[in-house]
Amino acid sequence: SAVISQKPSRDICQRGTSLTIQCQVDSQVTMMFWYRQQPGQSLTLIATANQGSEATYESGFVIDKFPISRPNLTFSTLTVSNMSPEDSSIYLCSVGKGGGGETQYFGPGTRLLVL
Amino acid sequence: SQQGEEDPQALSIQEGENATMNCSYKTSINNLQWYRQNSGRGLVHLILIRSNEREKHSGRLRVTLDTSKKSSSLLITASRAADTASYFCATDERGTYKYIFGTGTRLKVLA
Repeated sequence: SAVISQKPSRDICQRGTSLTIQCQVDSQVTMMFWYRQQPGQSLTLIATANQGSEATYESGFVIDKFPISRPNLTFSTLTVSNMSPEDSSIYLCSVGKGGGGETQYFGPGTRLLVL
Repeated sequence: SQQGEEDPQALSIQEGENATMNCSYKTSINNLQWYRQNSGRGLVHLILIRSNEREKHSGRLRVTLDTSKKSSSLLITASRAADTASYFCATDERGTYKYIFGTGTRLKVLA
């Protein structure tokens, strides 16, 4: 299994500002993923972050809005840039191992409210 | 984009009854996973079923997978009030390592 922590757990931000969310894993993992969960909705994959390469973004998400760093095998950050109220969501990181057949574990999430 | 559709969207049952949730997906998969989420908190992994498996059990949970119909079901037997949560299926499209989530089922178990 994997134990994942996220910081901050929640934040209230002003429109136009940026917030960086940190994700720390207790073991080395190949792949990390960032998801967004809008109020009352399911999870939507934002991007896949592999160590040593650029993040791969899903349709509808762009690097300028959601820059991601993956400096090592246990850590990643997601920045939500130039925020608007529509960015109010829970942001979750998750980890998995390549090759299939591996459980994907999730962090506790970061609750973001943009005013 | 979301791959999975779940039904029902919401389910309300009495404690002790069984709850069944269904998940349909669109493409070939390696694995399907079920998760529980309480009140917008983090996701708890319940069970993983591989594409070559048809049924798995874990405690009061029973999961089936029909790859020919591209569907899965989650059965919770003898439900408890503590089972009240949202349940999501997630599939990894064959050839990729990313999981795409279904729309979810909100389960309410009445004491």
